[in-house]
Amino acid sequence: AQSVTQLGSHVSVSEGALVLLRCNYSSSVPPYLFWYVQYPNQGLQLLLKYTSAATLVKGINGFEAEFKKSETSFHLTKPSAHMSDAAEYFCAVSLYYGGSQGNLIFGKGTKLSVKP
Amino acid sequence: KAGVTQTPRYLIKTRGQQVTLSCSPISGHRSVSWYQQTPGQGLQFLFEYFSETQRNKGNFPGRFSGRQFSNSRSEMNVSTLELGDSALYLCASSEGLAGYNEQFFGPGTRLTVL
Repeated sequence: AQSVTQLGSHVSVSEGALVLLRCNYSSSVPPYLFWYVQYPNQGLQLLLKYTSAATLVKGINGFEAEFKKSETSFHLTKPSAHMSDAAEYFCAVSLYYGGSQGNLIFGKGTKLSVKP
Repeated sequence: KAGVTQTPRYLIKTRGQQVTLSCSPISGHRSVSWYQQTPGQGLQFLFEYFSETQRNKGNFPGRFSGRQFSNSRSEMNVSTLELGDSALYLCASSEGLAGYNEQFFGPGTRLTVL
């Protein structure tokens, strides 16, 4: 069965430091992978998505993620953290049903704190 | 374009009651998905509707049901509420099927069951 594991429920970085949020997936077929961000009391916003094109995906707000099939990983990075990056981040994989895409399976989320 | 709207934003119900939540997708979007978000279980998929048809369903009891209207607006109903149904219910819309296309999320409806 497809699943998503996010390592670390809480990550804290200093402003200006590298942000690295880890995501590993399991899927029996090539997946579509997504990163979403959720700010307090808001819905989710798509940061970026991987759909079997380029393995390095660039998203909004300076975030990017690299798809590594050999490691079954899709880690999210940002070179320099900003205070406004403090939020909860969710990695998700889409399921396949009979050749057509299905619903999203989300990881448990990682709360990112940014210290001044 | 207006974003995804959900009504009401907050609800308080008691055990045994039923509740209906509403979602208006972005204009032109034909897919509406529903998710339940709780601190313990995280984000869990409930169901997806596309062009008034339920396309996929998550692993939830039959007390959870939904429907989609011809204008793509969707409603979700929970009957015989239990304490464990307290959660943030998120609706998301997309132009095509949810698994491939970007989903746009609403702010959610916070349901509290007493």
